[in-house]
Amino acid sequence: DTAVSQTPKYLVTQMGNDKSIKCEQNLGHDTMYWYKQDSKKFLKIMFSYNNKELIINETVPNRFSPKSPDKAHLNLHINSLELGDSAVYFCASSQDVRVGYGYTFGSGTRLTVV
Amino acid sequence: LAKTTQPISMDSYEGQEVNITCSHNNIATNDYITWYQQFPSQGPRFIIQGYKTKVTNEVASLFIPADRKSSTLSLPRVSLSDTAVYYCLVGDWGTGGFKTIFGAGTRLFVKA
Repeated sequence: DTAVSQTPKYLVTQMGNDKSIKCEQNLGHDTMYWYKQDSKKFLKIMFSYNNKELIINETVPNRFSPKSPDKAHLNLHINSLELGDSAVYFCASSQDVRVGYGYTFGSGTRLTVV
Repeated sequence: LAKTTQPISMDSYEGQEVNITCSHNNIATNDYITWYQQFPSQGPRFIIQGYKTKVTNEVASLFIPADRKSSTLSLPRVSLSDTAVYYCLVGDWGTGGFKTIFGAGTRLFVKA
C-alpha cells in the first residue's frame, strides 16, 4: 500500500484554468503538507495542516487553496493557473511528535501550464 | 530558519564510502538536522535525523560535532542505486511540523 498517494501524476492544462490535486495518506499522521519543487529543484513548503487545521501558509498566492476534509486527506485547488505555476507539487505527511521519523512524501504531481 | 550550505555535486565509485558535509552556522538550540534522498521523478525520502554526536541506522550515519555548526552524512559502500540528490535540512519540530526549506542539495553520482 502506498503511504502517501497523490493524483494525478501528470497534469497539463491551459492558462486560466482551475485544477485540483488530491493527496491521501494511510500512515495515521496528524500533519500534512504541500511542497512545490521548481525547475531549479528547490523544494519550498506551501502549506501545512495539522488535524485538518491550517498551520503554515508560506506566502502563497490566494489562487492556491488547500482543503483538508479529514486528517488523512489534503487537496490542493489552484484557480486561474499561470505559466509560473508549472512545477512538481509534492504532498507529504509527518507525525511531528515522533522526532526522528521525518516526512513521508508522495511521488509528486508534475503540473505543466501551457 | 537556519540556512544550510552543501556541495552542489559529488562523484564516487561503487563500494566507496561517501561523506557529504553540510554547514549550518546559525543553527538554533531546538533545531534538528535531517537528511533526505531524492531520486528523479520521486519525492524526497527520509534518511536520518540527529541532534548531536552520532546517529546510525541501516542506511547511513550522521556525524554532528559539539558546536553543531555542521554535519556529515556518511553512506557506507555506495552502489549505483545511491545516485541521487541529498538534502540537508535544519529546523525544529514546532506546531504544524517541521517548517523549513529544502536547499539545492548535493547531487551524488556513483560510477561503476
